[in-house]
Amino acid sequence: QVRLVESGGGVVQPGTSLRLSCAASGFSFSTYDLDWVRQVPGKGLEWLAVVSYDGVIEYYADSVRGRFTISRDNSKHILYLQMNNLRFEDTALYFCARSRVGSPFDHWGRGTLLTVSS
Amino acid sequence: SYVLTQPPSVSAAPGETAKITCGGNTIESRSVHWYQQKSGQAPVVVISHDSGRPSGIPERFSGSNSGSTATLTISRVEAEDEADYHCQVWDPGSDHWVFGGGTKLTVL
Repeated sequence: QVRLVESGGGVVQPGTSLRLSCAASGFSFSTYDLDWVRQVPGKGLEWLAVVSYDGVIEYYADSVRGRFTISRDNSKHILYLQMNNLRFEDTALYFCARSRVGSPFDHWGRGTLLTVSS
Repeated sequence: SYVLTQPPSVSAAPGETAKITCGGNTIESRSVHWYQQKSGQAPVVVISHDSGRPSGIPERFSGSNSGSTATLTISRVEAEDEADYHCQVWDPGSDHWVFGGGTKLTVL
């Protein structure tokens, strides 16, 4: 079955960097776009970024463009989110999700929690 | 940037009908997806492309989209429907996915 498992979250200080990973299995990885979405506990969903199935196209939310970079390794079936210059407001649960152009996110991981604290 | 507006909360008694709205400028021209998110869990698609119901989603869930409002309707509400519901669209003007703020459905 389709599995998406995020990892790499933790407690970090403001201004530091961190890379999240999302390990995928159970589907043809290189034929799906992949997204990162975050959620502050008790709040709504915030879409962050998408990378196309071939890794060529990337789009970012305004809130993270220039600080976060999405990438993928189709040989290892892993999605990444490189996060630089982290801020207190980046504290959230980070989900990866699978999508196709225009279609909903049909599978999600369970999320990895990032806390930015001094 | 494109904005989707949802009411923060909706309530319904078991057996009643709950309607959750998602407002956006000419949203009828966009394809709206709806997610259900139960406490401590990842979101699950309950309606795709305005009114499509994925496999495994009860027929009690339906969707519509007209004018500036998309609506998720849950008929014969059950206790297990208590959750947060999020609407989503793709904004081609900004190449962004956009989520509404989410609506908490309380089953009385």
